[in-house]
Amino acid sequence: KAGVTQTPRYLIKTRGQQVTLSCSPISGHRSVSWYQQTPGQGLQFLFEYFSETQRNKGNFPGRFSGRQFSNSRSEMNVSTLELGDSALYLCASSFPGDTQYFGPGTRLTVL
Amino acid sequence: AQRVTQPEKLLSVFKGAPVELKCNYSYSGSPELFWYVQYSRQRLQLLLRHISRESIKGFTADLNKGETSFHLKKPFAQEEDSAMYYCALDLAGGTSYGKLTFGQGTILTVHP
Repeated sequence: KAGVTQTPRYLIKTRGQQVTLSCSPISGHRSVSWYQQTPGQGLQFLFEYFSETQRNKGNFPGRFSGRQFSNSRSEMNVSTLELGDSALYLCASSFPGDTQYFGPGTRLTVL
Repeated sequence: AQRVTQPEKLLSVFKGAPVELKCNYSYSGSPELFWYVQYSRQRLQLLLRHISRESIKGFTADLNKGETSFHLKKPFAQEEDSAMYYCALDLAGGTSYGKLTFGQGTILTVHP
């Protein structure tokens, strides 16, 4: 069974721009969670989608948003990028309430 | 709110020595605890989950509700165990709606 995939793997943007990251879950998984990983803050939960609905959201500003499609693929968007948004963005998929399996991440650098 | 603490940011041991990575949590309800591992240049992957009570790669962890701990142990460390280890907490019954709470991680280095 193919694992969670994320595209692109690397991104370089400048302040003020916006970015969209994509996540394809393991086949059959309908829950997709997003996390931000930084050296200072560690792994922080952004939001979770299930059946195209956002069910949970972490403590991030409204510049961070996401959506999920009918095939369970998910995207997250960050608008008006700031230097502090530089991070590894991870998505994870699961059956609801079950173990989460992580993708390789998208490394975002904001200059 | 739930919280996970891994008191050691760095842990170094020699090959063949026992290793224990500490994890403490705060949550008043019934948690589900996990250990995830991230090897160099690899994705975060599940090492073990407390409800499965399995031993993976020689690692074990016991949930101690009295001490609110979920320490990871291995009797004889190997060089290939060198990695970043994260303890994570989920709420029982899927009530966290996809939110895992992670500790800050412990970098384990096993010297030859």
